[in-house]
Amino acid sequence: DAGVTQSPTHLIKTRGQQVTLRCSPKSGHDTVSWYQQALGQGPQFIFQYYEEEERQRGNFPDRFSGHQFPNYSSELNVNALLLGDSALYLCASSLWGISYNEQFFGPGTRLTVL
Amino acid sequence: AQSVSQHNHHVILSEAASLELGCNYSYGGTVNLFWYVQYPGQHLQLLLKYFSGDPLVKGIKGFEAEFIKSKFSFNLRKPSVQWSDTAEYFCAVMSGNFNKFYFGSGTKLNVKP
Repeated sequence: DAGVTQSPTHLIKTRGQQVTLRCSPKSGHDTVSWYQQALGQGPQFIFQYYEEEERQRGNFPDRFSGHQFPNYSSELNVNALLLGDSALYLCASSLWGISYNEQFFGPGTRLTVL
Repeated sequence: AQSVSQHNHHVILSEAASLELGCNYSYGGTVNLFWYVQYPGQHLQLLLKYFSGDPLVKGIKGFEAEFIKSKFSFNLRKPSVQWSDTAEYFCAVMSGNFNKFYFGSGTKLNVKP
């Protein structure tokens, strides 16, 4: 049973560019959440997708957008990259609507913006 | 907005020492509480979770945590740490039914052999 997978593992971009990160949830999960983990910080919630719709959003600008596909996989897009966007981006999957649910995390994508 | 505070940013212990990592949160409603661990080079893994019932929760690898509602705390404990416990530990709070997690800033634990 595959867990949460993310691609790519590492990515280097320059300021102003756009980036797309990908996530496949754990088998049986229907909800995907994205987090940004800056160096020395805990993960910060970006947004959450269920049934191909953004259901919740954290305190991130509109440059951060996402998508969920019918197979529950998800993409995170970041436009007009800034140096401060350099971080580990984590994807987590879970089951929607179950209050005792835990989130399963992927290994993350390390984004470096130069 | 919710916040989660982990007061110890970096803890250094010798093997067999006892461990207690503090976690406090700010939210007055029903919460679900978690401790996650991130071993060097690995992804976040669940150590233990609290949803309801007995406030003393036991997790994997001998870890336990106590939920004290009056203190808004969920401290992590282990009676005797091992070198393999060297990792970063994150406390997380989930409010309501929306699977939205708020994480603390983490505590790096370094266990000396």
